[in-house]
Amino acid sequence: NAGVTQTPKFQVLKTGQSMTLQCAQDMNHEYMSWYRQDPGMGLRLIHYSVGAGITDQGEVPNGYNVSRSTTEDFPLRLLSAAPSQTSVYFCASSYSPAGSGANVLTFGAGSRLTVL
Amino acid sequence: QKEVEQDPGPLSVPEGAIVSLNCTYSNSAFQYFMWYRQYSRKGPELLMYTYSSGNKEDGRFTAQVDKSSKYISLFIRDSQPSDSATYLCAMSAGDSWGKLQFGAGTQVVVTP
Repeated sequence: NAGVTQTPKFQVLKTGQSMTLQCAQDMNHEYMSWYRQDPGMGLRLIHYSVGAGITDQGEVPNGYNVSRSTTEDFPLRLLSAAPSQTSVYFCASSYSPAGSGANVLTFGAGSRLTVL
Repeated sequence: QKEVEQDPGPLSVPEGAIVSLNCTYSNSAFQYFMWYRQYSRKGPELLMYTYSSGNKEDGRFTAQVDKSSKYISLFIRDSQPSDSATYLCAMSAGDSWGKLQFGAGTQVVVTP
């Protein structure tokens, strides 16, 4: 049981390049999300999905695109990389424990992106 | 102003001491409160979650929520060097998705 798997772990891009961060989960969770983590800013929600075929914007969606064609996969696309997108990106899948309204996230190990 | 405030630290304590962490928040709609632990260069992992006000204990960890003061705390008893990490608080209003608002995290260093 791998949990949430993110690739690549590290990536360096030049301004204007595009790339896709991959995320896969094997827990059959309906909810998946992407966060970015910057020093002093905490984790900020980029995009999320409540099931296959359904996605929505989070707090900081500009410059990113997502799709959800299967329950397992939730890739994040950077359309035209900018230095402001230098960050650590975390994918998470989540579930709500029975009888509670809590949304418990399981995170991947992260993808460190540097945009020059 | 951020919805969730958390002192970034670092907070340095000797082994065996009690670690006290806290967050304040401004959104009175928050009902679910969580604490995540994040080791260096790793993803956050859930420690505990609580609903509404009150205390919850799990081994050496105790979470407290005071909704009237919009203040939550995490206490770590008998701290160990392995507790050295960044601790993130998170909270949500409990709607159908339950989008989380995170604090920036407090770095804790437990010295042997």
